[in-house]
Amino acid sequence: GENVEQHPSTLSVQEGDSAVIKCTYSDSASNYFPWYKQELGKRPQLIIDIRSNVGEKKDQRIAVTLNKTAKHFSLHITETQPEDSAVYFCAGFSGSARQLTFGSGTQLTVLP
Amino acid sequence: DAMVIQNPRYQVTQFGKPVTLSCSQTLNHNVMYWYQQKSSQAPKLLFHYYDKDFNNEADTPDNFQSRRPNTSFCFLDIRSPGLGDAAMYLCATSRDPGQGNEQFFGPGTRLTVL
Repeated sequence: GENVEQHPSTLSVQEGDSAVIKCTYSDSASNYFPWYKQELGKRPQLIIDIRSNVGEKKDQRIAVTLNKTAKHFSLHITETQPEDSAVYFCAGFSGSARQLTFGSGTQLTVLP
Repeated sequence: DAMVIQNPRYQVTQFGKPVTLSCSQTLNHNVMYWYQQKSSQAPKLLFHYYDKDFNNEADTPDNFQSRRPNTSFCFLDIRSPGLGDAAMYLCATSRDPGQGNEQFFGPGTRLTVL
C-alpha cells in the first residue's frame, strides 16, 4: 500500500518568513495530493491540493509543487502569519485503494 | 449550512461499556470514512463505505464496527471500549473518489474511556 513520509515534524519560523514542508510517497499510481491544516481540537481542513497531471499550484500565500518522477511534493507558505500556526498533514490518494494515506504531520509555529 | 455533522461532540464511557458515535452529511456524497486520531498523530483510517460497500482496514480491531443505514448517516460502534480507544473520532465524506476528491471532515467526537 501507499506510504507517505513527511518532514520536518516541527518547524518554527519568524513571522513574515517562508515555511516549507516536504512529503514523499511510495505508490506511483497515487494521483491526488491534498494538504490539510488542523488547529488544536478542530477538524482537518483542506488548504490546497494537486493532481498528478500538474506540477505546481498556487493559492495566494500557499503553493504546492509535485515531482512525480521523484515521488515527492512540498507545501510552501510565504509571508507567514501567527494564524498559520497549526499542524499540517500531507496525504496521497491511491485510486486502487480509494483512500488517503496521511503523512505524520508537521507542527508549524510562527513566532511574532 | 453544516455539511458533516457528528454527535455527540464529547462522549464519556466506562471501560467495556458499548458506545455509538454518529455521523450525518448533507452533501449526498457516496463515500463516508471513519478515522481515529490520537494526540499528535495523523488520522488513521478505520473503515469506509462506498455507497453500501463496506471496506474494513486490515488492522482495524474487531471491537470496532460500522453501519450505514442510508446515504446520509453512518455509525461507529465500539463494542467494548478499552483505555486505548480514547481518541478523537473523525467522520469524513467525499464524492466518488475515482481520481481523488476532497474529503470533508466533521468536527469529530472526543471519546474518553474511564
